[in-house]
Amino acid sequence: AQSVTQLGSHVSVSEGALVLLRCNYSSSVPPYLFWYVQYPNQGLQLLLKYTSAATLVKGINGFEAEFKKSETSFHLTKPSAHMSDAAEYFCAVSDGGGGSNYKLTFGKGTLLTVNP
Amino acid sequence: DGGITQSPKYLFRKEGQNVTLSCEQNLNHDAMYWYRQDPGQGLRLIYYSQIVNDFQKGDIAEGYSVSREKKESFPLTVTSAQKNPTAFYLCASTIGGSKGYTFGSGTRLTVV
Repeated sequence: AQSVTQLGSHVSVSEGALVLLRCNYSSSVPPYLFWYVQYPNQGLQLLLKYTSAATLVKGINGFEAEFKKSETSFHLTKPSAHMSDAAEYFCAVSDGGGGSNYKLTFGKGTLLTVNP
Repeated sequence: DGGITQSPKYLFRKEGQNVTLSCEQNLNHDAMYWYRQDPGQGLRLIYYSQIVNDFQKGDIAEGYSVSREKKESFPLTVTSAQKNPTAFYLCASTIGGSKGYTFGSGTRLTVV
């Protein structure tokens, strides 16, 4: 069974500071990993994904994440926070299989607050 | 452009009533999903469907029903048996593998 743990349900940073959102996963097979962003009263939007190519993945809005197999982690970072980054972020894992059992497993989310 | 359309964006229900939330996609995705979102609880899977005329219960299916008569459509009915239906409901679809999900913009249901 797969699982995702997001450390910290709420992270607060100052504008211009480093953003670090933590995600650890467990999976019995090489995983596909995803980060999604959700703005208030909207659906989730894909930020980036790891699909076993490069371990450092770049996404939209200046975000990137590094897959570390030894640490079973896929932390999301951005060098300099902007006010528009304030949102909720979800990490998700899939075993990549097809067929009748394809599902993503989501973490509980991390709410990012950016202070001026 | 292809995508998923959820309607309505806001829905109000009186206690004891059934309501149906619409989810339509033109992405040619086989699999579709319904999630419920409550503050601090993340996303909880209600139902999912991998092919037309077939669907499976998720983790919190009680008080909900679905149908999948067409590939493009996966409506969710919130029945009167659902005791606490006030929540944000999200529909998603995928072709699987490394693609992840595409989400709709959600429906906020409030019981009045």
